[in-house]
Amino acid sequence: DAGVTQSPTHLIKTRGQQVTLRCSPKSGHDTVSWYQQALGQGPQFIFQYYEEEERQRGNFPDRFSGHQFPNYSSELNVNALLLGDSALYLCASTSPTGSVEQYFGPGTRLTVT
Amino acid sequence: AQKVTQAQTEISVVEKEDVTLDCVYETRDTTYYLFWYKQPPSGELVFLIRRNSFDEQNEISGRYSWNFQKSTSSFNFTITASQVVDSAVYFCALSAMDSSYKLIFGSGTRLLVRP
Repeated sequence: DAGVTQSPTHLIKTRGQQVTLRCSPKSGHDTVSWYQQALGQGPQFIFQYYEEEERQRGNFPDRFSGHQFPNYSSELNVNALLLGDSALYLCASTSPTGSVEQYFGPGTRLTVT
Repeated sequence: AQKVTQAQTEISVVEKEDVTLDCVYETRDTTYYLFWYKQPPSGELVFLIRRNSFDEQNEISGRYSWNFQKSTSSFNFTITASQVVDSAVYFCALSAMDSSYKLIFGSGTRLLVRP
């Protein structure tokens, strides 16, 4: 039973560029959430996708957008990258059975130079 | 508003010592869940435990135990006879019905277990 997978593992981008991060949820899970974890801090909620719709969103600018596909996988897009976007981006999935546990992937470490 | 506070930034112990990680939370919701996650150097958050607001029973799992007290809004985590492999950052998190169960994390406690 595969867990949550994310790609790529690491990424280096330049200010102003755009980036796309990918996530495949745990088998049987239909809800995907994205979190940003800056160095030395706890993860911060970006948004959550369910049934291909953004269900809720945290305090992140519109430069952060996402998408969920029919197979429940998800993408996080960040436009006009800033140095402050450098962080570990974590994807988490939740099962459809009403469970509240979120299972996390290994993350994508984004460095913006 | 919901908030999680982990006042201990870093704790260092010698192997086999017991250690308690503190977590204090704030929420106005009556239905909520509390979690502990472990984050080893690899970065992946590993789920350890979930408690719901209606269940104040303490729980023990091997060397790990959790003390949930609604009266003090605390959900503390104790590792008995710590081992070097316990070295990691530990996060306490809260999710509540009114915020659609998104996870709100504390700032984490870095635990270093020295041999």
